[in-house]
Amino acid sequence: NAGVTQTPKFRVLKTGQSMTLLCAQDMNHEYMYWYRQDPGMGLRLIHYSVGEGTTAKGEVPDGYNVSRLKKQNFLLGLESAAPSQTSVYFCASSSDSPYQPQHFGDGTRLSIL
Amino acid sequence: RKEVEQDPGPFNVPEGATVAFNCTYSNSASQSFFWYRQDCRKEPKLLMSVYSSGNEDGRFTAQLNRASQYISLLIRDSKLSDSATYLCVVNTFSGGYNKLIFGAGTRLAVHP
Repeated sequence: NAGVTQTPKFRVLKTGQSMTLLCAQDMNHEYMYWYRQDPGMGLRLIHYSVGEGTTAKGEVPDGYNVSRLKKQNFLLGLESAAPSQTSVYFCASSSDSPYQPQHFGDGTRLSIL
Repeated sequence: RKEVEQDPGPFNVPEGATVAFNCTYSNSASQSFFWYRQDCRKEPKLLMSVYSSGNEDGRFTAQLNRASQYISLLIRDSKLSDSATYLCVVNTFSGGYNKLIFGAGTRLAVHP
């Protein structure tokens, strides 16, 4: 049972470089989310999607872009990485019911030098 | 004020102890509530949902007080394997969308 899969697991970038994080889910969920988690803080929502072809801003969207071209995939892009974006990134998905919990991928650890 | 606030911890308890975590939330329109567990450097995993009538799952009991906007988690007979960070999570359906708001977490360390 794959669930939610994130790639890559680890990455080190230099300031100004760009990259894309991929999230894939096989549960046919409508909703998908990208979070970042920093020491001593709760997970913060970057962007989310309520269905294929739709995206919306979360709590901390600046410096990130997303796309949901296929229902099962949600991509997070960093156009010009900054040290402040060093974090652990989690993708999650859920059905469209507000009572259902979210299922998380195992995270991407990203360091920006 | 944070939307979801938790006891900061850490809680250091011996095996077999009973420990309780508290959480308050600010949005009275919140519709569902969860406790997640997160091990060091791992993803959050659902521990249990929290229902209005209170619910129990083995050694874990969750309570919800909508009037006070308060959620609790009680762990009885603590095990070494219970050591983790416990996240209080509130699901708010607003603007037509389903959003989870996470507390910063309470760290639990169970020692022999």
